[in-house]
Amino acid sequence: LAKTTQPISMDSYEGQEVNITCSHNNIATNDYITWYQQFPSQGPRFIIQGYKTKVTNEVASLFIPADRKSSTLSLPRVSLSDTAVYYCLVGESGYSTLTFGKGTMLLVSP
Amino acid sequence: NAGVTQTPKFQVLKTGQSMTLQCAQDMNHNSMYWYRQDPGMGLRLIYYSASEGTTDKGEVPNGYNVSRLNKREFSLRLESAAPSQTSVYFCASSLTGRTFNQPQHFGDGTRLSIL
Repeated sequence: LAKTTQPISMDSYEGQEVNITCSHNNIATNDYITWYQQFPSQGPRFIIQGYKTKVTNEVASLFIPADRKSSTLSLPRVSLSDTAVYYCLVGESGYSTLTFGKGTMLLVSP
Repeated sequence: NAGVTQTPKFQVLKTGQSMTLQCAQDMNHNSMYWYRQDPGMGLRLIYYSASEGTTDKGEVPNGYNVSRLNKREFSLRLESAAPSQTSVYFCASSLTGRTFNQPQHFGDGTRLSIL
Protein backbone atom coordinates (compact mmCIF):
# COMPACT_ATOMS: atom_id res chain seq x y z
CA LEU A 1 0.00 0.00 0.00
CA ALA A 2 1.22 3.49 -0.82
CA LYS A 3 2.37 5.36 2.27
CA THR A 4 0.79 8.72 2.94
CA THR A 5 2.15 11.84 4.60
CA GLN A 6 -0.10 14.57 5.94
CA PRO A 7 0.34 17.41 8.45
CA ILE A 8 -0.06 16.42 12.06
CA SER A 9 -2.29 19.37 12.87
CA MET A 10 -3.94 22.44 11.37
CA ASP A 11 -5.76 25.40 12.86
CA SER A 12 -8.55 27.41 11.30
CA TYR A 13 -11.40 29.76 12.15
CA GLU A 14 -15.07 29.40 11.54
CA GLY A 15 -16.15 30.35 8.04
CA GLN A 16 -12.77 29.77 6.45
CA GLU A 17 -11.95 27.25 3.76
CA VAL A 18 -9.54 24.56 4.89
CA ASN A 19 -7.28 22.60 2.59
CA ILE A 20 -5.50 19.51 3.90
CA THR A 21 -2.85 18.10 1.60
CA CYS A 22 -1.73 14.49 1.59
CA SER A 23 1.39 13.21 -0.15
CA HIS A 24 1.46 9.72 -1.63
CA ASN A 25 4.50 9.59 -3.88
CA ASN A 26 4.34 5.83 -4.42
CA ILE A 27 0.70 5.60 -5.43
CA ALA A 28 0.03 2.75 -7.86
CA THR A 29 -2.09 2.80 -10.99
CA ASN A 30 -4.94 0.91 -9.34
CA ASP A 31 -4.94 2.91 -6.12
CA TYR A 32 -7.77 5.18 -5.05
CA ILE A 33 -7.55 8.02 -2.54
CA THR A 34 -10.01 8.04 0.32
CA TRP A 35 -10.55 10.46 3.20
CA TYR A 36 -12.14 9.67 6.53
CA GLN A 37 -13.11 11.96 9.41
CA GLN A 38 -13.00 10.98 13.07
CA PHE A 39 -14.60 12.87 15.94
CA PRO A 40 -13.50 12.22 19.52
CA SER A 41 -14.99 9.05 20.99
CA GLN A 42 -16.38 7.97 17.63
CA GLY A 43 -15.30 5.70 14.83
CA PRO A 44 -14.08 7.17 11.54
CA ARG A 45 -16.61 8.27 8.98
CA PHE A 46 -16.14 8.17 5.19
CA ILE A 47 -15.95 11.65 3.62
CA ILE A 48 -14.92 11.35 0.00
CA GLN A 49 -13.03 9.19 -2.47
CA GLY A 50 -11.44 9.80 -5.85
CA TYR A 51 -9.03 8.56 -8.49
CA LYS A 52 -8.05 11.68 -10.42
CA THR A 53 -9.02 15.30 -11.11
CA LYS A 54 -11.76 16.62 -8.85
CA VAL A 55 -14.55 15.03 -6.87
CA THR A 56 -17.16 16.99 -4.96
CA ASN A 57 -19.95 15.95 -2.65
CA GLU A 58 -22.15 17.73 -0.14
CA VAL A 59 -19.40 17.70 2.48
CA ALA A 60 -16.08 18.30 0.75
CA SER A 61 -14.06 18.45 -2.45
CA LEU A 62 -11.08 16.34 -3.34
CA PHE A 63 -8.47 17.66 -5.75
CA ILE A 64 -6.02 15.23 -7.33
CA PRO A 65 -3.35 16.49 -9.75
CA ALA A 66 -2.45 14.62 -12.91
CA ASP A 67 0.57 12.86 -11.38
CA ARG A 68 -1.61 11.70 -8.44
CA LYS A 69 1.35 12.00 -6.06
CA SER A 70 -0.68 14.18 -3.75
CA SER A 71 -4.26 15.07 -3.03
CA THR A 72 -6.02 17.93 -1.25
CA LEU A 73 -9.15 17.67 0.82
CA SER A 74 -11.02 20.97 0.77
CA LEU A 75 -13.60 21.82 3.42
CA PRO A 76 -15.59 24.96 2.55
CA ARG A 77 -16.58 27.37 5.29
CA VAL A 78 -15.69 25.19 8.27
CA SER A 79 -17.61 25.35 11.52
CA LEU A 80 -16.69 24.33 15.05
CA SER A 81 -18.23 20.94 14.40
CA ASP A 82 -15.58 20.22 11.76
CA THR A 83 -12.97 19.91 14.50
CA ALA A 84 -11.81 16.34 14.03
CA VAL A 85 -9.00 14.14 12.80
CA TYR A 86 -8.87 13.66 9.03
CA TYR A 87 -7.25 10.58 7.53
CA CYS A 88 -5.94 10.22 4.01
CA LEU A 89 -5.75 6.65 2.77
CA VAL A 90 -4.58 5.08 -0.45
CA GLY A 91 -5.72 1.62 -1.36
CA GLU A 92 -6.16 -0.70 -4.29
CA SER A 93 -9.45 -0.72 -6.10
CA GLY A 94 -9.69 -4.45 -5.73
CA TYR A 95 -10.11 -6.44 -2.58
CA SER A 96 -7.79 -4.88 -0.09
CA THR A 97 -7.55 -3.48 3.39
CA LEU A 98 -7.09 0.09 4.56
CA THR A 99 -4.10 1.52 6.38
CA PHE A 100 -4.78 4.51 8.57
CA GLY A 101 -1.88 6.81 9.38
CA LYS A 102 -1.94 9.29 12.26
CA GLY A 103 -4.14 11.72 10.37
CA THR A 104 -4.40 15.51 10.59
CA MET A 105 -5.96 17.03 13.69
CA LEU A 106 -8.01 20.04 12.52
CA LEU A 107 -8.96 22.53 15.20
CA VAL A 108 -11.58 25.10 14.26
CA SER A 109 -11.84 28.11 16.57
CA PRO A 110 -14.57 30.77 16.85
CA ASN B 1 -31.23 1.54 11.68
CA ALA B 2 -28.34 1.08 14.10
CA GLY B 3 -25.49 0.48 11.63
CA VAL B 4 -22.56 -1.11 13.49
CA THR B 5 -23.14 -1.88 17.16
CA GLN B 6 -20.31 -2.76 19.54
CA THR B 7 -20.64 -4.17 23.02
CA PRO B 8 -19.53 -3.40 25.62
CA LYS B 9 -18.64 0.28 25.35
CA PHE B 10 -16.21 0.14 28.26
CA GLN B 11 -14.42 -2.70 30.01
CA VAL B 12 -11.68 -3.06 32.60
CA LEU B 13 -9.82 -6.35 32.82
CA LYS B 14 -7.03 -7.77 34.89
CA THR B 15 -3.96 -9.17 33.21
CA GLY B 16 -4.57 -12.74 32.15
CA GLN B 17 -8.34 -12.51 31.98
CA SER B 18 -10.19 -13.35 28.81
CA MET B 19 -12.75 -11.21 27.05
CA THR B 20 -14.85 -11.25 23.90
CA LEU B 21 -15.80 -8.03 22.16
CA GLN B 22 -19.00 -8.24 20.21
CA CYS B 23 -19.86 -6.52 16.94
CA ALA B 24 -23.03 -6.68 14.88
CA GLN B 25 -24.10 -4.84 11.73
CA ASP B 26 -27.54 -4.54 10.23
CA MET B 27 -26.60 -3.28 6.77
CA ASN B 28 -26.33 -6.71 5.14
CA HIS B 29 -22.62 -6.12 4.59
CA ASN B 30 -20.35 -8.96 3.58
CA SER B 31 -17.05 -7.70 4.98
CA MET B 32 -16.22 -6.90 8.58
CA TYR B 33 -13.11 -5.61 10.33
CA TRP B 34 -11.56 -5.15 13.75
CA TYR B 35 -9.15 -2.28 14.42
CA ARG B 36 -7.38 -0.96 17.48
CA GLN B 37 -6.50 2.66 18.10
CA ASP B 38 -3.89 3.72 20.63
CA PRO B 39 -3.58 7.31 21.90
CA GLY B 40 -2.38 9.69 19.21
CA MET B 41 -2.25 6.92 16.65
CA GLY B 42 -4.23 5.93 13.63
CA LEU B 43 -6.20 2.73 13.44
CA ARG B 44 -4.40 -0.56 12.97
CA LEU B 45 -6.15 -3.56 11.47
CA ILE B 46 -6.23 -6.63 13.70
CA TYR B 47 -8.34 -9.09 11.72
CA TYR B 48 -10.89 -8.91 8.97
CA SER B 49 -13.49 -11.12 7.38
CA ALA B 50 -13.99 -10.55 3.69
CA SER B 51 -17.12 -12.68 3.69
CA GLU B 52 -19.04 -15.01 5.95
CA GLY B 53 -16.94 -18.05 6.74
CA THR B 54 -13.55 -16.42 6.10
CA THR B 55 -11.16 -14.54 8.35
CA ASP B 56 -7.70 -13.14 7.73
CA LYS B 57 -4.97 -11.54 9.78
CA GLY B 58 -4.33 -7.85 9.56
CA GLU B 59 -1.38 -5.79 10.70
CA VAL B 60 -1.44 -6.66 14.43
CA PRO B 61 -3.15 -10.05 15.01
CA ASN B 62 -0.98 -11.42 17.82
CA GLY B 63 -2.89 -12.03 21.04
CA TYR B 64 -6.30 -11.99 19.36
CA ASN B 65 -8.72 -14.42 17.79
CA VAL B 66 -11.86 -13.72 15.81
CA SER B 67 -15.06 -15.50 14.89
CA ARG B 68 -17.41 -14.61 12.06
CA LEU B 69 -20.46 -16.08 13.72
CA ASN B 70 -22.78 -15.27 10.83
CA LYS B 71 -23.14 -12.51 8.27
CA ARG B 72 -24.15 -9.98 10.91
CA GLU B 73 -21.73 -10.73 13.72
CA PHE B 74 -17.95 -10.63 14.06
CA SER B 75 -16.40 -11.09 17.49
CA LEU B 76 -12.90 -10.40 18.77
CA ARG B 77 -11.47 -12.47 21.61
CA LEU B 78 -8.58 -11.76 23.92
CA GLU B 79 -7.61 -15.11 25.43
CA SER B 80 -5.15 -13.78 28.00
CA ALA B 81 -5.28 -10.02 28.24
CA ALA B 82 -2.06 -8.03 28.55
CA PRO B 83 -1.56 -4.35 29.48
CA SER B 84 -0.26 -3.75 25.92
CA GLN B 85 -3.75 -4.52 24.67
CA THR B 86 -5.19 -1.50 26.44
CA SER B 87 -6.74 0.41 23.57
CA VAL B 88 -9.91 1.51 21.86
CA TYR B 89 -11.26 -1.20 19.60
CA PHE B 90 -13.35 -0.39 16.56
CA CYS B 91 -15.42 -2.73 14.46
CA ALA B 92 -16.31 -1.80 10.90
CA SER B 93 -18.20 -3.27 7.99
CA SER B 94 -18.43 -2.69 4.26
CA LEU B 95 -20.60 -4.07 1.50
CA THR B 96 -17.71 -5.99 0.02
CA GLY B 97 -13.95 -6.10 0.55
CA ARG B 98 -13.31 -3.73 -2.34
CA THR B 99 -11.93 -0.39 -1.26
CA PHE B 100 -13.34 1.65 -4.13
CA ASN B 101 -16.83 2.97 -3.63
CA GLN B 102 -17.28 0.65 -0.67
CA PRO B 103 -16.80 2.84 2.39
CA GLN B 104 -16.31 1.20 5.72
CA HIS B 105 -18.90 1.96 8.40
CA PHE B 106 -17.56 2.06 11.93
CA GLY B 107 -19.03 1.47 15.35
CA ASP B 108 -18.38 3.83 18.25
CA GLY B 109 -15.71 1.64 19.77
CA THR B 110 -15.02 -0.36 22.90
CA ARG B 111 -12.65 1.23 25.40
CA LEU B 112 -10.66 -1.54 27.01
CA SER B 113 -8.28 -1.09 29.92
CA ILE B 114 -6.12 -3.92 31.18
CA LEU B 115 -4.55 -3.54 34.58
